[in-house]
Amino acid sequence: QVQLVQSGAEVKKPGSSVKISCKASGGTFSSATMNWVRQAPGQGLEWMGRIIPIGGTRNYSQKFQGRLTITADEATSTAYMELNSLTSDDTAVYYCARRRGGHNYDAFDIWGQGTMVTVSS
Amino acid sequence: DIQMTQSPSSLSASVGDRVTITCRASQVINTYLNWYQQQPGKAPKLLIYAASTLQSGVPSRFSGSGSGTDFTLTISSLQPEDFATYYCHQSYITPWTFGQGTKVEIK
Repeated sequence: QVQLVQSGAEVKKPGSSVKISCKASGGTFSSATMNWVRQAPGQGLEWMGRIIPIGGTRNYSQKFQGRLTITADEATSTAYMELNSLTSDDTAVYYCARRRGGHNYDAFDIWGQGTMVTVSS
Repeated sequence: DIQMTQSPSSLSASVGDRVTITCRASQVINTYLNWYQQQPGKAPKLLIYAASTLQSGVPSRFSGSGSGTDFTLTISSLQPEDFATYYCHQSYITPWTFGQGTKVEIK
């Protein structure tokens, strides 16, 4: 059974960057699209972007274009999410989530445990 | 972006009740609609994908229906572990978007 284990909580200053890791174990990493979703305190879920590790194809939500970078290291089965120019609005729990897809569907079937990022001066 | 609107935003129900949550998309999304359950402090859990297909391991009291723009999640007999927040999610076109959530509370 695939598990996604994320790196630990972060506290950052406004204007700085954060990089979170998501390590997959127990399954095939390279062919599975990895997504990043965030959730501000008391709020709903927001999709940020995705990567297909094999080949490195990426898609980002327009909202984060220019300050979001998603990468993947096939050798270590780890995906990364880096967000720059942080503001207090970026305070949230960040999740990685694996895509399950097929004919006529796409869903997130496996989720990491979440990484809390707090942006505060 | 496709807007997903859930109703109600919250509801109170008792164990054994039948519960229905609706989700409406701002444009046609065929059956690219998923439902997730989120317990406090936990990651979301996939319940239903492709509008009506039950994810492996999910109890059969959960069911989904709909296509186009209108969708429904039904819990046939609410159990204590079902008190949580539920989100719909469209995967028809990026940016993939979620409903605002429906919190199911104990009456």
